[in-house]
Amino acid sequence: DAGITQSPRHKVTETGTPVTLRCHQTENHRYMYWYRQDPGHGLRLIHYSYGVKDTDKGEVSDGYSVSRSKTEDFLLTLESATSSQTSVYFCAISESPASTDTQYFGPGTRLTVL
Amino acid sequence: RKEVEQDPGPFNVPEGATVAFNCTYSNSASQSFFWYRQDCRKEPKLLMSVYSSGNEDGRFTAQLNRASQYISLLIRDSKLSDSATYLCVVGGGRRALTFGSGTRLQVQP
Repeated sequence: DAGITQSPRHKVTETGTPVTLRCHQTENHRYMYWYRQDPGHGLRLIHYSYGVKDTDKGEVSDGYSVSRSKTEDFLLTLESATSSQTSVYFCAISESPASTDTQYFGPGTRLTVL
Repeated sequence: RKEVEQDPGPFNVPEGATVAFNCTYSNSASQSFFWYRQDCRKEPKLLMSVYSSGNEDGRFTAQLNRASQYISLLIRDSKLSDSATYLCVVGGGRRALTFGSGTRLQVQP
């Protein structure tokens, strides 16, 4: 299995609080991604990174920000959590652009916003 | 219309059965195609890539029809361990992959 960890694995928080999720990889892959998965929607891309300090928005980026200061870490921040952000969040990595390469996923973080 | 559409199922089949999943995609410029498998409350994992010529991996066969924008996955001799959700995934351009919502398979003894 690819070396990808996510922390925390579970979190319950209240509306309006900031939340940061961490993705850590040991594969030295250039590309990293954050997805959310909700029933009936499949996985939807929030943000992705194509290198240190290089990030771009995905299809559901509103309310989320990201940072990548090191190759191995990709952080996802919810500045002010809302109940609509209750979801399962997956981090993924790939060696080449995802359009042509396999993505490997972390174990996921279950976030509940009350 | 969703970019990648799948029948959500569930498909309930007995052990040993052959089952087929279908998927359609809307972006004709898509360049790469995959099937991922996701077990309950786990992360998705690559099952196989899909090529225009069709490809087979043991009991699994994937087909791509670019003209119809249609992808299929055939599972022969189903095992209990095949029970999972199967995600059709399409890629194209510099951005990340587009995932279907998945088709749930339940193989029964």
